Amino acid sequence: GNSVTQMEGPVTLSEEAFLTINCTYTATGYPSLFWYVQYPGEGLQLLLKATKADDKGSNKGFEATYRKETTSFHLEKGSVQVSDSAVYFCALYTGGFKTIFGAGTRLFVKA
Amino acid sequence: GAGVSQSPSNKVTEKGKDVELRCDPISGHTALYWYRQSLGQGLEFLIYFQGNSAPDKSGLPSDRFSAERTGGSVSTLTIQRTQQEDSAVYLCASSLGISGDTQYFGPGTRLTVL
Repeated sequence: GNSVTQMEGPVTLSEEAFLTINCTYTATGYPSLFWYVQYPGEGLQLLLKATKADDKGSNKGFEATYRKETTSFHLEKGSVQVSDSAVYFCALYTGGFKTIFGAGTRLFVKA
Repeated sequence: GAGVSQSPSNKVTEKGKDVELRCDPISGHTALYWYRQSLGQGLEFLIYFQGNSAPDKSGLPSDRFSAERTGGSVSTLTIQRTQQEDSAVYLCASSLGISGDTQYFGPGTRLTVL
């Protein structure tokens, strides 16, 4: 069946460090891939998405490239800030109705 | 425009009581989802509504859980005879209901069962 696996957290980084949060998926067909972010005390919000292979989603300095050959959609940012501290969820949509979410990765950024 | 709203934001109840959680989706969104987020866990899908179609209830954990959506808009999630393990944040999301679309989440209702 369809599934999403993302790296366990928490991830703790110093400000301006490079961030990678790994996400791999299992799916039939050609899913759309998403990263959602949940800031403390808030609901989830879309961070970026990619709808086909080799697409790169980007927003707020974050990027992720849809790699069909490795079934991955890793999230990266070149220089994190304290304000990036949040929980990040990788997700896939294969059509129909259901979006499958990963377990979430908590990021702590220290000043 | 207004986003997805949920009420109450916090609910504390005693074991065995019934609770109702409300979700107001974004106007015009035909799809509505309920999820449960337990402490330190990911999102657990509960139920999905799409337009006038029969809802998909495959994620509801027990028959104590039910949900309805009136007039294709507001939705209520009801938990009967609450148990301590029901304590979680309940998230509602809505979307346009088209292929590959983005879900817009509400801030959630934090339920605590004593």
